[in-house]
Amino acid sequence: DIQMTQSPSFLSASVGERVTLSCKASQNINKYLDWYQQKLGEAPKLLIYNTNNLHTGIPSRFSGSGSGTDYTLTISSLQPEDVATYFCLQRNSWPALTFGSGTKLEIK
Amino acid sequence: EVQLVESGGGLVQPGRSLKLSCLASGFTFSNYGMNWIRQAPGKGLEWVASISSSSSYIYYADTVKGRFTISRDNAKNTLYLQMTSLRSEDTALYYCAHLPYWGQGVMVTVSS
Repeated sequence: DIQMTQSPSFLSASVGERVTLSCKASQNINKYLDWYQQKLGEAPKLLIYNTNNLHTGIPSRFSGSGSGTDYTLTISSLQPEDVATYFCLQRNSWPALTFGSGTKLEIK
Repeated sequence: EVQLVESGGGLVQPGRSLKLSCLASGFTFSNYGMNWIRQAPGKGLEWVASISSSSSYIYYADTVKGRFTISRDNAKNTLYLQMTSLRSEDTALYYCAHLPYWGQGVMVTVSS
C-alpha cells in the first residue's frame, strides 16, 4: 500500500501569511494527488486535483505543486475562512486510495 | 447539485451487523462508480470499498474483506454497505463518496 505522510499536523498562521502544507508518498504517485478542505461538521471539499489543477469555484490563492513522491499545497494569503483541516488523497493506486493524516490550520 | 445522504448508522455490539445506505442525487448515479470511506475517531481517513457503475467490479480494503459487502441499486439511486462481524476498530464516521463529492457521513459505534 502507498503511505502518505502529511506535514505539519497542526499549523497556526496569521491572516495574509503564505502557508505551505506537504504530502510525501512512499512511492511515485504520478501526480495523482488531490487536496481537500474540511471544515468542522461539513463534508470534505475538493480544492486541487491532479497535483496542480484548481477545482471549479476555488479561490486562486490556493495552488498545488509537486511530482514523484513530494507534493505541496500553498495558500498564498491566508484568509479567516481558510480555517479548516486539509488532507491529501493519492489516486495512483486506485481503487486502493490512501490519504494524508491531515493538517489542522488555524489563525494566529 | 450533487448530494449524498448517508443513513443507517448507530450503536451496535461487537459481532453484530449493520447496513448503511447512501441516497444519491444531482447526477446520473447509474453512470458512476461509488466509494465508502471511513474515519475513526482521532484517526485519518481510510478507504473501505468501491463499486463500479454496473456492480461488475468491486474492491475492498484488506481490513474489511470478507466482512463488509458493498452493493448498489441503480433504480433507487442508492449505495449500500452491509457490515457483519463488526469489531471495535470498525467504529468510525462512514462517508459515501462519488469523488470528488462526499456525504456528511454517518457514525457507526461498535461497543458492548
